Amino acid sequence: GNSVTQMEGPVTLSEEAFLTINCTYTATGYPSLFWYVQYPGEGLQLLLKATKADDKGSNKGFEATYRKETTSFHLEKGSVQVSDSAVYFCALSLHPNAGGTSYGKLTFGQGTILTVHP
Amino acid sequence: GAGVSQSPSNKVTEKGKDVELRCDPISGHTALYWYRQSLGQGLEFLIYFQGNSAPDKSGLPSDRFSAERTGGSVSTLTIQRTQQEDSAVYLCASSFTGTAYNEQFFGPGTRLTVL
Repeated sequence: GNSVTQMEGPVTLSEEAFLTINCTYTATGYPSLFWYVQYPGEGLQLLLKATKADDKGSNKGFEATYRKETTSFHLEKGSVQVSDSAVYFCALSLHPNAGGTSYGKLTFGQGTILTVHP
Repeated sequence: GAGVSQSPSNKVTEKGKDVELRCDPISGHTALYWYRQSLGQGLEFLIYFQGNSAPDKSGLPSDRFSAERTGGSVSTLTIQRTQQEDSAVYLCASSFTGTAYNEQFFGPGTRLTVL
């Protein structure tokens, strides 16, 4: 089956520190990869995505590169801010196989809680 | 513009009662998904609707769970004879089409507590 494994949290950093949250996946087909973020008191929202190998997704200073050879999609940010404190979810969605059904349902990792202190 | 809305935002019920959760997707989105977020299981897929096609019910945990989507828009998730393990946040999401390329937009969720 399909699965996503994220680095264990919680992660606690000081402002301006470098962030890495590891994410690896297994998939029965060819996936798109996503990072979703859930800020305190808010709904889940897309942070960035990559739909094919070697693509780099980026948004709000966050980056992640789709590495097919290592089945990974690690999230990085060079300098975190207090406002980045949130729960981060790595997820995948399969592309359709030839003659198959395209439905885009997401398989999520367990989430990583990030807390950034001033 | 309006996002995905869900109602109620909170629901407390007694074990054995039936509950209905409602989702209003973004207008024009043909794909609608239900997920469940719980401490023990994380975020898990429940059911998917795409246009007039038969729904993908592969994630429903038991036959006590059902969902429908009327007129290709509003969806209702029904849980019959609720159990304490059904306590979770139920999230609805919609996307323009149901593919691996499209962003899913999530509603704020319904927090269900079964006493």
